[in-house]
Amino acid sequence: LAKTTQPISMDSYEGQEVNITCSHNNIATNDYITWYQQFPSQGPRFIIQGYKTKVTNEVASLFIPADRKSSTLSLPRVSLSDTAVYYCLVVSRGGGNKLTFGTGTQLKVEL
Amino acid sequence: NAGVTQTPKFRVLKTGQSMTLLCAQDMNHEYMYWYRQDPGMGLRLIHYSVGEGTTAKGEVPDGYNVSRLKKQNFLLGLESAAPSQTSVYFCASNRQVQNEKLFFGSGTQLSVL
Repeated sequence: LAKTTQPISMDSYEGQEVNITCSHNNIATNDYITWYQQFPSQGPRFIIQGYKTKVTNEVASLFIPADRKSSTLSLPRVSLSDTAVYYCLVVSRGGGNKLTFGTGTQLKVEL
Repeated sequence: NAGVTQTPKFRVLKTGQSMTLLCAQDMNHEYMYWYRQDPGMGLRLIHYSVGEGTTAKGEVPDGYNVSRLKKQNFLLGLESAAPSQTSVYFCASNRQVQNEKLFFGSGTQLSVL
């Protein structure tokens, strides 16, 4: 299983763009990169998933360089409601269901 | 659709007592998971199931048992609760495809005194 490393915490202000980078140096060919968001007292919620280059949805963008050893979750124009913990996961399409979460990145957005 | 439902939401146990946490999903998902979350530790996988009648160990299975008698239900049991099992427990499910996104329940706050 590819191990992921991401910053423990980040601070931002409303209206700014936030980029959270995750390192996954031993990612395998069949692995996908997935990000989840967790608010206090709730279960994590799927945000975005990608394999290479760039993926964008209504919530965020995910940038993956050609070597796929890292990925960056980009949240445009954050608001107070984006304060949450963000988890990066590497998920294997090839098999295995031990979907493990790291400690995540605590994002705090202030006025 | 209710999605993933966990019961109970809160529970206080005394050391040595037993209890069962119930997870139910109405999405016809094959895979189900139990995680625990402790402060500063992220989520850790306890047990998981890849289909009705099957279970497997995750990262931290000791002290827990699980059963998947029906496809829609995944039960987590504590036979003899210990203070170290004080935690928030989350259930999740997803479809058969390996990289399908997980759907989580709202959690169970368990305190063992």
